[in-house]
Amino acid sequence: KNQVEQSPQSLIILEGKNCTLQCNYTVSPFSNLRWYKQDTGRGPVSLTIMTFSENTKSNGRYTATLDADTKQSSLHITASQLSDSASYICVVSLEATNAGKSTFGDGTTLTVKP
Amino acid sequence: NAGVMQNPRHLVRRRGQEARLRCSPMKGHSHVYWYRQLPEEGLKFMVYLQKENIIDESGMPKERFSAEFPKEGPSILRIQQVVRGDSAAYFCASSPGTGIGEQYFGPGTRLTVT
Repeated sequence: KNQVEQSPQSLIILEGKNCTLQCNYTVSPFSNLRWYKQDTGRGPVSLTIMTFSENTKSNGRYTATLDADTKQSSLHITASQLSDSASYICVVSLEATNAGKSTFGDGTTLTVKP
Repeated sequence: NAGVMQNPRHLVRRRGQEARLRCSPMKGHSHVYWYRQLPEEGLKFMVYLQKENIIDESGMPKERFSAEFPKEGPSILRIQQVVRGDSAAYFCASSPGTGIGEQYFGPGTRLTVT
């Protein structure tokens, strides 16, 4: 069983709507939790990084939250745009610099339709 | 400041040939990570290197795969005697090795084995 579970697996929304993606993890304790956006055919791009002690982090229309008690993180996208169509990946890292100690979720594929 | 560069972007090899994938990290970054992404799957960690050192290769297949990050030049991921199952996108990421481990990804190399 993957220690980082993302839901839903895929999501379709209309342009302008908000959405929330979920990440449940069992990795604990951890150094940081990251959300990435990966466009089709491209490398992932970092959206937010939160340390264990942070509850929320924003990057424009993207807001990530972290609840260490329930071991859940969410990524909220406000006023979606067509360019938000991508895969969103949650990553939990035991150590800051060693990616070998990171666990990747399988991602949520978001499609924004006009 | 140029981002992480990978070449080639696309590589076609016949079964049994060798594949060499190159990664030039961002300027000032001394840590390199390689990931593999099979079609319709999430990113999987392969190896973490610093200059002239392999730090963590827990994600590397035991045979046919090797990686290096020499003192001068790019990091190289080498796959010997490729098989069809090696067809995937291979991503490289780099980080400065300090702070909370922000990783910057390259555009990937798409390997197709025929």
